[in-house]
Amino acid sequence: TQLLEQSPQFLSIQEGENLTVYCNSSSVFSSLQWYRQEPGEGPVLLVTVVTGGEVKKLKRLTFQFGDARKDSSLHITAAQPGDTGLYLCAGVRNTGFQKLVFGTGTRLLVSP
Amino acid sequence: DTAVSQTPKYLVTQMGNDKSIKCEQNLGHDTMYWYKQDSKKFLKIMFSYNNKELIINETVPNRFSPKSPDKAHLNLHINSLELGDSAVYFCASSSTGGKANEKLFFGSGTQLSVL
Repeated sequence: TQLLEQSPQFLSIQEGENLTVYCNSSSVFSSLQWYRQEPGEGPVLLVTVVTGGEVKKLKRLTFQFGDARKDSSLHITAAQPGDTGLYLCAGVRNTGFQKLVFGTGTRLLVSP
Repeated sequence: DTAVSQTPKYLVTQMGNDKSIKCEQNLGHDTMYWYKQDSKKFLKIMFSYNNKELIINETVPNRFSPKSPDKAHLNLHINSLELGDSAVYFCASSSTGGKANEKLFFGSGTQLSVL
C-alpha cells in the first residue's frame, strides 16, 4: 500500500522555471521529511517539517506541511540544473521508534 | 570520511545463491536500518536495529537475515536469492531512532542483480 503519493511522478523543465511537487496521504504523520537523491547515491535530507501549517525555506526551496499534517509541498523557484534529482517525501510515524514511510518519488530534470 | 559506507556497490549473482552486504557507520549513532529501493524508486524499510537489538522487521521473507555485531555495523545476509530480490539496498543510520525530526544518513547503496 502506497501511503504517500507524490505528484507529479516526472517533471522536465527549463532552467529558470518554477515548480511544485506535492506529497499527499490520508494518514496523519508526526512530522514529514523531504530528501533528494542523485543517481548512484543515497537520499540526502533537505528539511523536516513538524508543525501543521509550518513553512520552511532553504534558499530557492520552500517546504510546507499541511495544517492537518497529512500532506506537504515543495516549491522550487528559478530551478537550476543542479536541482535535478529524485525528490522523496517521507512521513514519520513514532511507534516507539521512528519509522519513515517514503513517498512514491518525483523525478525532476532541469535542462540548461 | 564516509559517514555510512556499504559494500559492495554492485552485486551480480545467480538465482539460488547466498550473498551478504555489509554496512558500517562512523557517526556514533545508535540506530541502523536497511531499506530496499525497487525499480520504480520506491524506498521501503526492511529492518531497524537499535544498539544491536532488532526493533523493526517489516514482514521481510526470512531468507533475509540482518546481523548487528555492534552498533556501528549492520550486515544483511540473503539466502536462496530470487529474481525479485533485484533492487538497490540502502543502509542508513540515525542518532537514537526515537525523535520525530531525527535525520537519517544513508549509504550510497548496493545494486543487487539476480540473474
